[in-house]
Amino acid sequence: DVKVTQSSRYLVKRTGEKVFLECVQDMDHENMFWYRQDPGLGLRLIYFSYDVKMKEKGDIPEGYSVSREKKERFSLILESASTNQTSMYLCASGQEGAHTGELFFGEGSRLTVL
Amino acid sequence: SQQGEEDPQALSIQEGENATMNCSYKTSINNLQWYRQNSGRGLVHLILIRSNEREKHSGRLRVTLDTSKKSSSLLITASRAADTASYFCVTRGNKLVFGAGTILRVKS
Repeated sequence: DVKVTQSSRYLVKRTGEKVFLECVQDMDHENMFWYRQDPGLGLRLIYFSYDVKMKEKGDIPEGYSVSREKKERFSLILESASTNQTSMYLCASGQEGAHTGELFFGEGSRLTVL
Repeated sequence: SQQGEEDPQALSIQEGENATMNCSYKTSINNLQWYRQNSGRGLVHLILIRSNEREKHSGRLRVTLDTSKKSSSLLITASRAADTASYFCVTRGNKLVFGAGTILRVKS
């Protein structure tokens, strides 16, 4: 079975802490994505990566950074967590190209910042 | 907003009834996909329809696409309680765009 694994399902952090969210895929996909999901706002793209060490800003990159040192791993970093970053974070991977198929999502990481 | 728009926002039906959800989008697309999300979980791919297709079936799912109206519909026939979830349309052109989702509740 294909799989996207997010390291933590639930996290509670304090304001100002550094937070790492890890995502690993086992499908050799070129593209990986980080979204956040908030009630009433749907899914919003934070960052994506189309190759190792490559990254592109999505719609809401402020306050976040990413790292892709290996093809299978895409990390989302909150340098200094704030309460407005409390959210569900979803990682996804997919094949290269605009005409290709489905995205594979992880189970999500629910982050609470106190 | 760059999101697609889904209609209705929420839908409540009895088990065995059909459920229809609609999605409208703004830009030209290469394909359109529908995903399901159970509460608190990740999204799961249901079906993909390409821009040159008009209708596609998968089990109890039927998807239509009207590129002239920039709209799509997802029909779930003979619904089950396990179909209770949020359903999202995702359009793929130069950028992935997610709809806001329709919350479907199937009552047994």
